Order: sequence, then structure tokens, then C-alpha cells
Amino acid sequence: AQSVDQPDAHVTLSEGASLELRCSYSYSAAPYLFWYVQYPGQSLQFLLKYITGDTVVKGTKGFEAEFRKSNSSFNLKKSPAHWSDSAKYFCALESGGSNYKLTFGKGTLLTVTP
Amino acid sequence: AQTIHQWPVAEIKAVGSPLSLGCTIKGKSSPNLYWYWQATGGTLQQLFYSITVGQVESVVQLNLSASRPKDDQFILSTEKLLLSHSGFYLCAWSPLTGGYEQYFGPGTRLTVL
Repeated sequence: AQSVDQPDAHVTLSEGASLELRCSYSYSAAPYLFWYVQYPGQSLQFLLKYITGDTVVKGTKGFEAEFRKSNSSFNLKKSPAHWSDSAKYFCALESGGSNYKLTFGKGTLLTVTP
Repeated sequence: AQTIHQWPVAEIKAVGSPLSLGCTIKGKSSPNLYWYWQATGGTLQQLFYSITVGQVESVVQLNLSASRPKDDQFILSTEKLLLSHSGFYLCAWSPLTGGYEQYFGPGTRLTVL
């Protein structure tokens, strides 16, 4: 079985600070990992993904994430944070092969104060 | 460019009444299609996926069904709504699986009273 854990339900920081949102996963094979963002009242937008290769991947809106196989993590980072980054962020894992399942974490609500 | 539409935007329905939600993708042939449910403030639960017309696979049982009558259309339905069906329903598409990101529609907000 696969699972995704986002241990921080809520993160608050000041504009200009560095942000790091944590994500860990459990999966027996090589994972495909994604980050999505959801602004209040809106749908989800894709930010970035890790498939293979470089362990640091860059995405939209100035975000990047680092894949660490050693501790099964895929943390999202951005520096500096802007108030417009305030949103809910979801980490997701796709199991490969014929299983088309995408498993989401519970999400982290990020609040960036001006 | 591909566009994804969902209808209706919002619904208020009574317990026990039927429901039909729709999703259409334009600008992409033979997409993989997905339905998700999100409780208010919660995570996303994948409900169904479809890789071709007429074929739909269930991921989780929530007394809902799905159909893909056309290449670009995905329908979510039930004959009897439960209170627990309230939430935000999202349709998504991807060109393939195996590391391809999914693109989400604007969603339908459902309130069951």
C-alpha cells in the first residue's frame, strides 16, 4: 500500500522568509511524486514533479523540491516567500504500472503574513 | 490548448435525490480521465479513472458511479445522495500515466441537505 504524509497541517511565516513544506511517502517501488497548490475556493494547480534523475526539481511560481530517497521525502521549498503564496499545498504519489492511482497527502495550509 | 469544463458549478440537493455531474475536455484526444472528491478542508480522494471510452475503473466505493460515454466526456452519478456526499468534486485529465501530471477542472461544489 502507498501513503503520503504531510506532518504540518498549518505553517505560518513572514513574507521574505524561506519556506519548506514537508512531505514523506511510503511506497515499495520507485515513486512518481508531485506537488499541487490549491488557492481558497479554487481547484488544484500543478507545481512540479519528480520522476527520475536530478533530485532537485524546479517548478512553476518559483518553487522547487528535493527528492531524498534515504528518508523517503519530497519537501517543497521557496525563497523568499510572498504573501501570494498563501494557499493549501498537497503532495501526491503516483504508483506506476497499470495502477492509475494518485494518492494525496492531507495538505499543508500555508499562511504568509505581509 | 486543452480546456476542461465541469458542470454544474454548484448544486444543492436533498438526501435521497439523484445526482449527475459532468466533465468535458477539449483540445486533447484520448485523455486519461479522473474523478476526485474533496471534503471541506480535507484531502483529495480519487474515485474513478478511465483510460478509454466505455471503460471506467473504481478506486473507492462511495455509492457513486461513473461513465465515459464519449472520448471527451466523463460523468459522475448516483441514484440516491447521502449527506456524506457533500463536498467538492474535481475532474482531472492527463495525457498518459507514468509520471504525467494531472490537470484539474474548476470543480463542482455539492451540498446535500
